[in-house]
Amino acid sequence: GNSVTQMEGPVTLSEEAFLTINCTYTATGYPSLFWYVQYPGEGLQLLLKATKADDKGSNKGFEATYRKETTSFHLEKGSVQVSDSAVYFCALNSGGSNYKLTFGKGTLLTVNP
Amino acid sequence: KAGVTQTPRYLIKTRGQQVTLSCSPISGHRSVSWYQQTPGQGLQFLFEYFSETQRNKGNFPGRFSGRQFSNSRSEMNVSTLELGDSALYLCASRSGRDSGNTIYFGEGSWLTVV
Repeated sequence: GNSVTQMEGPVTLSEEAFLTINCTYTATGYPSLFWYVQYPGEGLQLLLKATKADDKGSNKGFEATYRKETTSFHLEKGSVQVSDSAVYFCALNSGGSNYKLTFGKGTLLTVNP
Repeated sequence: KAGVTQTPRYLIKTRGQQVTLSCSPISGHRSVSWYQQTPGQGLQFLFEYFSETQRNKGNFPGRFSGRQFSNSRSEMNVSTLELGDSALYLCASRSGRDSGNTIYFGEGSWLTVV
C-alpha cells in the first residue's frame, strides 16, 4: 500500500535559518505529492503540490521537487520566519479512482526570533 | 470564493452518545471526504463521497458513517461514542476536474468525548 515517511522532529530553528524537512514515499503508479501546513488550532492548508516527476512546487518561499528516482519530496525554505511555526505534513494521492490522501506523521517546526 | 465550512467547530459529547458533523464544500466541488486526526494515529482517511455515492472507505468501524446530499453538502455520524473517538474531524472537498487531485480542507470539528 501507499505510505509516507517524514522526519518527525520537532525542528527548532532561528529566524532566517535554512529549513529542510525530508519526505519519502512508497506508492503504486504515479502519485501526486503535496505539502500541507497546520497552524495551531486550525485545519490543513495546502502549501504546495507537484503532480509529476521533476515538477517543482513552490509557494510563500517554500519549495519541493518531485524526485521519482529517490521517491522523495523534501520541503525547503531559504530563510524561515517566526510566522512559519506550524506542523508540516507531506502527503500523496495515488490518483485514479482512489481519491484519498496518505499522510506522513507531521513535523512540528518552531522558529525562534 | 468561500472555502470548506464545517460545523460545529467544537463539541463535547458523553460516551455512548452519537454525534453528527456537517460540511459544506467549496462551491462547485462535488467530492467530499472526511479525515480523523488524533495525536496517536495522525491523519486517517474515513470516507469519500462523490455525487451522493460513497466511493471509498477507510479502515474504521461501522459506527462511523456518512452521507452526501444533492447540493454536495455532507454529514458524518459517529454512533455509540467512545473516548478514543475524541479527535479533530476534517472535511475536505475536491472539484473532480483538477488533474492534480488537489484536496482543500476545512477548519475541522473538534470532538471531545467524556
